[in-house]
Amino acid sequence: TQLLEQSPQFLSIQEGENLTVYCNSSSVFSSLQWYRQEPGEGPVLLVTVVTGGEVKKLKRLTFQFGDARKDSSLHITAAQPGDTGLYLCAGAYGSARQLTFGSGTQLTVLP
Amino acid sequence: KAGVTQTPRYLIKTRGQQVTLSCSPISGHRSVSWYQQTPGQGLQFLFEYFSETQRNKGNFPGRFSGRQFSNSRSEMNVSTLELGDSALYLCASSLGQDNSPLHFGNGTRLTVT
Repeated sequence: TQLLEQSPQFLSIQEGENLTVYCNSSSVFSSLQWYRQEPGEGPVLLVTVVTGGEVKKLKRLTFQFGDARKDSSLHITAAQPGDTGLYLCAGAYGSARQLTFGSGTQLTVLP
Repeated sequence: KAGVTQTPRYLIKTRGQQVTLSCSPISGHRSVSWYQQTPGQGLQFLFEYFSETQRNKGNFPGRFSGRQFSNSRSEMNVSTLELGDSALYLCASSLGQDNSPLHFGNGTRLTVT
């Protein structure tokens, strides 16, 4: 069973601060996805990374895939209250279409 | 384009009963996956159906089963409910290819008393 560790579990910051969320595994991912989930709703896909070393940007969000494809990070610049939510990383191993999810990072951005 | 629809949104059942949850995927999506989300275990994969066939299965007991119909709609059934089955059950649809993005519904909140 592959394990996917996500940290930190909780993060409370002030508006305008930067933050980074980490996702690590002992196994190689074939791809990794980041989702954001708000209360009462299902997760919404933010990005998919496939290639080792890949960096993708989505406005103030920067996603990085480790060179060895065993880890990933999500960096948010100048966080805003609207960024509040549960951030989940999810990895696919091999050619599996089933995702293994991290435990999530509950982000709260205070105005 | 309509999103993934799950019904009902909320369910309360008693231990020992069974329950059926329904999921209507995005039009054109042939793959439907089911996940269980709990505070303690997070999101865990239950199974995936593609063109009416179960293609992948997670590590859940046989009390959890599913099926998919020819219109790609899917149902999930849990028999002999236990208190620990209380969770948010999420359905996600996709085109079904490797790395196809998942589109989640808003889930069914099941409470077992």
